[in-house]
Amino acid sequence: DAKTTQPPSMDCAEGRAANLPCNHSTISGNEYVYWYRQIHSQGPQYIIHGLKNNETNEMASLIITEDRKSSTLILPHATLRDTAVYYCIVRVEGNSGGSNYKLTFGKGTLLTVNP
Amino acid sequence: GAVVSQHPSWVICKSGTSVKIECRSLDFQATTMFWYRQFPKQSLMLMATSNEGSKATYEQGVEKDKFLINHASLTLSTLTVTSAHPEDSSFYICSARDQSGSSYNEQFFGPGTRLTVL
Repeated sequence: DAKTTQPPSMDCAEGRAANLPCNHSTISGNEYVYWYRQIHSQGPQYIIHGLKNNETNEMASLIITEDRKSSTLILPHATLRDTAVYYCIVRVEGNSGGSNYKLTFGKGTLLTVNP
Repeated sequence: GAVVSQHPSWVICKSGTSVKIECRSLDFQATTMFWYRQFPKQSLMLMATSNEGSKATYEQGVEKDKFLINHASLTLSTLTVTSAHPEDSSFYICSARDQSGSSYNEQFFGPGTRLTVL
């Protein structure tokens, strides 16, 4: 299973862009990069995922380097409600392959958005 | 996005009793559900994978006889903590995989259940 490395914590000013890095240097060619976040005492929330192309949705943008060894999650205009632990996860293929996988969480990055 | 609910949201029980936690996918069918446990200031740890109509697959180190999982329908999985002890106190989170439509292969999480064993 590919492992990910994230900084333990980051700060961001409200209204500014938050750029959260993730290293996944051992990622395999068919493994996706997923981002989830967890607000205190709640279940994780899916943000975005990608394989090799950059992705954007209503919540965030995901930039994956060409060699796929790292990625950056961008929250374009951070708000106080974006304060959470952000998890970068590489999908694990299950024994039966295909669509079966498990999401294994690392320690994530605690993003604190300051007023 | 798809909604996953858990019940109860919190529970306090005495040592030695059993506690059942329900996980439901409200607007989609989930052939696969997952159970996680999270201790304070730690990350989520996968306990087991629950497949509808078959036995759950437990992660290494998780006692299957202590954490009973039943996934009898496409929208409901239950986790029963048997003979609970204070060290079982934790935040239990379930998730369900939506394998249909535009959400194919996305995994949605419940709000979690806080278990406190006295």
